[in-house]
Formats: sequence, C-alpha cells, structure tokens
Amino acid sequence: KNEVEQSPQNLTAQEGEFITINCSYSVGISALHWLQQHPGGGIVSLFMLSSGKKKHGRLIATINIQEKHSSLHITASHPRDSAVYICAHISNFGNEKLTFGTGTRLTIIP
Amino acid sequence: GAVVSQHPSWVICKSGTSVKIECRSLDFQATTMFWYRQFPKQSLMLMATSNEGSKATYEQGVEKDKFLINHASLTLSTLTVTSAHPEDSSFYICSARIGLAGGPSGTDTQYFGPGTRLTVL
Repeated sequence: KNEVEQSPQNLTAQEGEFITINCSYSVGISALHWLQQHPGGGIVSLFMLSSGKKKHGRLIATINIQEKHSSLHITASHPRDSAVYICAHISNFGNEKLTFGTGTRLTIIP
Repeated sequence: GAVVSQHPSWVICKSGTSVKIECRSLDFQATTMFWYRQFPKQSLMLMATSNEGSKATYEQGVEKDKFLINHASLTLSTLTVTSAHPEDSSFYICSARIGLAGGPSGTDTQYFGPGTRLTVL
C-alpha cells in the first residue's frame, strides 16, 4: 500500500466547476507539498504546508494533521488548470525525502 | 520565485553511451539537490540525494556506478547515466532545496527543474 493515497485518480470537469483533490497519508509528517505537473513534464510546487490552510489565487490547500488528510481545491476551474496534481510529504523521521502520491489527472473541458 | 534549470531538456542516445544531465539553481544556492526518475504514468521515484561537496546518497536499488552524481558547487549538480540501455529511458527530474543543511526538514522548500527526457535506442 502506497504511503500516500490520492483520489480521484482521474477527474474530468467542465470549465468553471469547483475542483477538490484529496490526499491521505499514513505516517507522521512535518510538511506536505502539492505539486502540479503539466503534460510536458515540468513540475511546479504549488504549496508547502504543515497545518491549516493556504490560498494562492484560485487554489486553496488545507491539511488536517490529526486525520492525516489534505485537500487541494481549485475554484472557477479553467482548461489551463488541466494537469496532474501530486501530493508529497516529508516524514517526521528526520530525513528530507519526499514521498509522492500517484497523482490525480485533471482535465477541464471548455 | 526560485528557478531550477535542467539541460538538456531531451536527449536521444545509442545503447552503451553515457549521458550527462545538468541541474542548476539559477538564483539561489542549493545545499541539497535531489534526482528523481519518472516512468510513464507513474509517480516520481527518488534516485539519490546530492549534497554539495560530499558523496551522494543513493536509494535502495539504484546503482551508484551506473548513475554517477556530482555536486561540485552550490548551484550545479550533474547526473551521468553510464552505459545507457533502453530500460534507462525515462524522465529525469532534479529538485533543489532551499534551507540549511541539517536544518529542520519541515522548513524545506524544494524547487523542481523542468525535467530531461532520455530515450535510449
């Protein structure tokens, strides 16, 4: 079982819809990243958070440390949001390695 | 924000040749750089952790003699795939860590390069 589980694996939505991607993990963590990978492969770090909530533009990330769960929300989705969204965590065990989820492929239809 | 570049962005080579991939932090000094490999429709897998001026730490199952990592300066790390074979064809991504070496990992921020697609014929 992967340490980091994402759902859904694939998501197709109409432009303008509110999008939620979920991430659950099984170990204690010090921080969690949300990453965006475009079809060309390049990766952009969207958020790093260890508690609460962060917002950047139309993107919102939340984390519940007790429940070992994080969500990424996209408001007013747009076709340019189409990408693979990956959550990754840094464990509490003192190393700095990221453990990645398998990603959620998001497609926004105009 | 911080920018990490990789060169080349793609490379095609013959089986048996060696390929060098560069990872540079353009506007910051990176005490630690990470090398990942991603096969199609799979998640990123950490290959090795590279600290400036010291030997890289390889993940289990990654051959250190095949994937040579050199972190010669605070802004440059290189990955050389030696005697490449078709099964080495993959997308290789580096990331650079801003933060104090040995500092609290919770304060890490990693910035990712655009990746290098390697195809070995």
